[in-house]
Amino acid sequence: SYELTQSPSLSVSPGQTATITCSGHKLGDKYSSWYQQRPGQSPILVIYQDNKRPSGIPERFSGSNSGNTATLTISGTQPMDEADYYCLAWDISTVIFGGGTKLTVL
Amino acid sequence: QLQLQESGPGLVKPSETLSLTCNVSGGSISSSGYYWGWIRQPPGKGLEWIGSMFYSGRSYYKPSLKSRVTISVDTSKNQFSLKLISVTAADTALYYCARHVSRGSSWEIDYWGQGTLVTVSS
Repeated sequence: SYELTQSPSLSVSPGQTATITCSGHKLGDKYSSWYQQRPGQSPILVIYQDNKRPSGIPERFSGSNSGNTATLTISGTQPMDEADYYCLAWDISTVIFGGGTKLTVL
Repeated sequence: QLQLQESGPGLVKPSETLSLTCNVSGGSISSSGYYWGWIRQPPGKGLEWIGSMFYSGRSYYKPSLKSRVTISVDTSKNQFSLKLISVTAADTALYYCARHVSRGSSWEIDYWGQGTLVTVSS
């Protein structure tokens, strides 16, 4: 079965760039999306179709997808960006989530 | 603004059936291009997709859960439901209902419910 792999955790200082990756076989041939989940809250969509931002998502969030890796980049990371981030892809009629990356901003 | 609200028992006994309903407001469950589905999250763990259904009946399920899961849509009530049979402690989780946007090979989740905790215990 298809799998998406994320690093469990990442720490950045405020103002720095956070780069969160999601790896899967030929993931670049599929569309990826990214979700932010703050503690105690439901996830929200921050990137879809690899690099599109939904209305209301700050411009500091961007995405890319090529080869075997999809990337979520947060430029000028703010303390409010501290959350768990999950990637998602669709493969053979199945939705696959990555294991999630806990982003700490300190 | 679309809103999704889960409802159902918070405690289910082992071997019994977990049943949840998601009420959709602010939009029609019969809208084209959207699937309606369920995702769960065990305490302290990541997200797990369970399955999704189009209002006309086309459905997809996670292969490892397929034998135990049924998702149904009631367009007259603008709601959809989840049934998971033969539950065990491993099914204890926060269950989210959600709207999926399907555009060919693109598939993303643009609206989520607030989640409902279901505990499997005797």
